[in-house]
Amino acid sequence: AQSVTQLGSHVSVSEGALVLLRCNYSSSVPPYLFWYVQYPNQGLQLLLKYTTGATLVKGINGFEAEFKKSETSFHLTKPSAHMSDAAEYFCAASGGSYIPTFGRGTSLIVHP
Amino acid sequence: DTAVSQTPKYLVTQMGNDKSIKCEQNLGHDTMYWYKQDSKKFLKIMFSYNNKELIINETVPNRFSPKSPDKAHLNLHINSLELGDSAVYFCASSQARAGELFFGEGSRLTVL
Repeated sequence: AQSVTQLGSHVSVSEGALVLLRCNYSSSVPPYLFWYVQYPNQGLQLLLKYTTGATLVKGINGFEAEFKKSETSFHLTKPSAHMSDAAEYFCAASGGSYIPTFGRGTSLIVHP
Repeated sequence: DTAVSQTPKYLVTQMGNDKSIKCEQNLGHDTMYWYKQDSKKFLKIMFSYNNKELIINETVPNRFSPKSPDKAHLNLHINSLELGDSAVYFCASSQARAGELFFGEGSRLTVL
């Protein structure tokens, strides 16, 4: 069975600083990997995804993530945080069972 | 035009009552899901249907019963509501079983 671990339930950064949200997965088969964002009182929306091919994936709002098979990681980064990036971020994986499994989420706090 | 729509958005009810949440998607997707998000933001899959057929039924009390009248609709009926059922319930759909999920805005259920 696959699992997804997000390190840090809260990450706090200053506006303009680098954003790094960590995600590790375990899967017996090559996974499809996703990052979703949830703004308050809204549903989740896709930021980016990795299926096959290029391991550095670019998404919306300046976010990107790199699939590192040797480290079983799919960390999310953004060079410069904006106040509008404050939200809950979820890493997810779909593997052989095709059940989309989510990590517990990381709340990104952006300080002015 | 909302891609995945859920009704109602808010539901407040007494313990022991029966309630339903409806979900419709206009994306032409084959697979639909119900997720439960608890107060700590943890997302847990409950059910998944593919072309009106149940394919995922996680460990969920049998007071919860999904119904899919056609592939564009997946409703959730809950009998004998308990305090612990209070949560936000999200409907989602995807084109393929390992594909990107499109979420509704959620239905916040409060059981008093």
